[in-house]
Amino acid sequence: KQEVTQIPAALSVPEGENLVLNCSFTDSAIYNLQWFRQDPGKGLTSLLLIQSSQREQTSGRLNASLDKSSGRSTLYIAASQPGDSATYLCAVRTTQGGSEKLVFGKGTKLTVNP
Amino acid sequence: EAQVTQNPRYLITVTGKKLTVTCSQNMNHEYMSWYRQDPGLGLRQIYYSMNVEVTDKGDVPEGYKVSRKEKRNFPLILESPSPNQTSLYFCASSLTSGATIQYFGAGTRLSVL
Repeated sequence: KQEVTQIPAALSVPEGENLVLNCSFTDSAIYNLQWFRQDPGKGLTSLLLIQSSQREQTSGRLNASLDKSSGRSTLYIAASQPGDSATYLCAVRTTQGGSEKLVFGKGTKLTVNP
Repeated sequence: EAQVTQNPRYLITVTGKKLTVTCSQNMNHEYMSWYRQDPGLGLRQIYYSMNVEVTDKGDVPEGYKVSRKEKRNFPLILESPSPNQTSLYFCASSLTSGATIQYFGAGTRLSVL
C-alpha cells in the first residue's frame, strides 16, 4: 500500500531563508508527484507537477526534485517570504487496489516570520 | 477561467437529512474525484470517475453516493448524513487518468449535527 510521509510536520523560518521540504513514498510505481499549497480553510493550489520520467521542475522561486528509485521528493523554496506561509502537501498519483487516485502526505506547515 | 466549482462552500445540517454537494468543471476533463480532509488523517479519496457513467469507490466510500451523467458534473450525495461525515470536502478533476495534473475546487465545509 502506497504511503506518503512528509517531514517535518511544521517548520518556522525567518524571512529570506532558503528552505527544503521533504516528501517520501513507499512504492515507486507512480504516474507523477504533485506539490500543493493549502492556505487555512482554503482549497489546494497546485504548485508543481513532476512526471515519473522527470527529475525536477521549476517555477519561480520553487524547485521540486524527484528521485523515484529512492522514493523521495524535495520542494526547495528560495528567499522565503511571509506570503509563503501555508501548509505544503505532496501527493503521488498511483493505482492502488484497482483504484486510481492521489495519495497525500499529511503536509508540512510552513511559517515564514518577517 | 479554468476552474472546478463546488457548492455550497459551507453547510450545516442535521443527522439523516439528505444533501448533495455539487461539483462542476469547465475544462472538459474526463477524470473527476472526491476527497475528504480530516485533521490527523489528511486527504482521502471517497469516489472517482474515469468518464461519464463510469464511477468507482475510493478509500472511504461508505455513506456516500456519486453519479456522473454529464462530463462536467460530479455531485456527491449523502443520503443519510451522520456526524462522522463532518469534514472538509474537495472535488478534483484532470484531463485524463494517469499522468495529468489534478485541479481542485475550493472545498465544502460540512458540519452534521
